[in-house]
Amino acid sequence: GQNIDQPTEMTATEGAIVQINCTYQTSGFNGLFWYQQHAGEAPTFLSYNVLDGLEEKGRFSSFLSRSKGYSYLLLKELQMKDSASYLCAVKDSNYQLIWGAGTKLIIKP
Amino acid sequence: ETGVTQTPRHLVMGMTNKKSLKCEQHLGHNAMYWYKQSAKKPLELMFVYNFKEQTENNSVPSRFSPECPNSSHLFLHLHTLQPEDSALYLCASSQASGTGSSPLHFGNGTRLTVT
Repeated sequence: GQNIDQPTEMTATEGAIVQINCTYQTSGFNGLFWYQQHAGEAPTFLSYNVLDGLEEKGRFSSFLSRSKGYSYLLLKELQMKDSASYLCAVKDSNYQLIWGAGTKLIIKP
Repeated sequence: ETGVTQTPRHLVMGMTNKKSLKCEQHLGHNAMYWYKQSAKKPLELMFVYNFKEQTENNSVPSRFSPECPNSSHLFLHLHTLQPEDSALYLCASSQASGTGSSPLHFGNGTRLTVT
C-alpha cells in the first residue's frame, strides 16, 4: 500500500529552527508538496519538490531525497504565527495525491 | 481571501436532513475537488471534476452526491448522513488535474456535525 509518515506533533521555541520530516512509500513519484494549515483555516501551499535537493523560500526550505523516499521542511527564525499543522503530500505514478496525517507544530515563547 | 469560497462555514444537521455545501473558485482553474478531513487522519479525496467532468469517485457512499454545473462552482449534496460523517469538508481547485506541479488551492471548509 501507499503511505506517508510524519510526526504527529512537534514543539519548538520562538526564534529557533525546526525540521519536520516526511517519509513516503508510493507507487511512483511525481513530486512532493508541503502545505501549512492554521486551525480552522484552509491548507495553503508552501513548496513543491520533484528533483533531489534543497529549495529555499525565505524562512522556509524543503529538501527531497527520492532514493530515500524522504523529505523535510525546515523553518528558520520561528515566529508564533508559524504554529500550525504542516501537511506532506506525494503525487504517485497516476498523479494521485497521497497525504500524510499532518504534523502539528506548537511554538512556545 | 483564498480565491476559493465555501459556504456555509458551519453546518449542524440531523440524520434525516438534506443539505448542500457550496464551493466557488475565482482562480480560473479547470479542476475542482471535494476532500474530507477528520482529526489526525490524512485528507481523504472524495470527488474530482476536471473540465466539469467527474474523473474520480473514491468509493464514496451514495449519501454524498456531487454536482459541478460549471468550472467555477461545485456542490456536495448531503442526505441521510451518519454521525461518522461529521468532519471538515474542504473544497479545492487547481489547473487541470493530473498535472505534476500544479498545487491545490483550498477553501476554508465546512465544519459538518451530524446529530
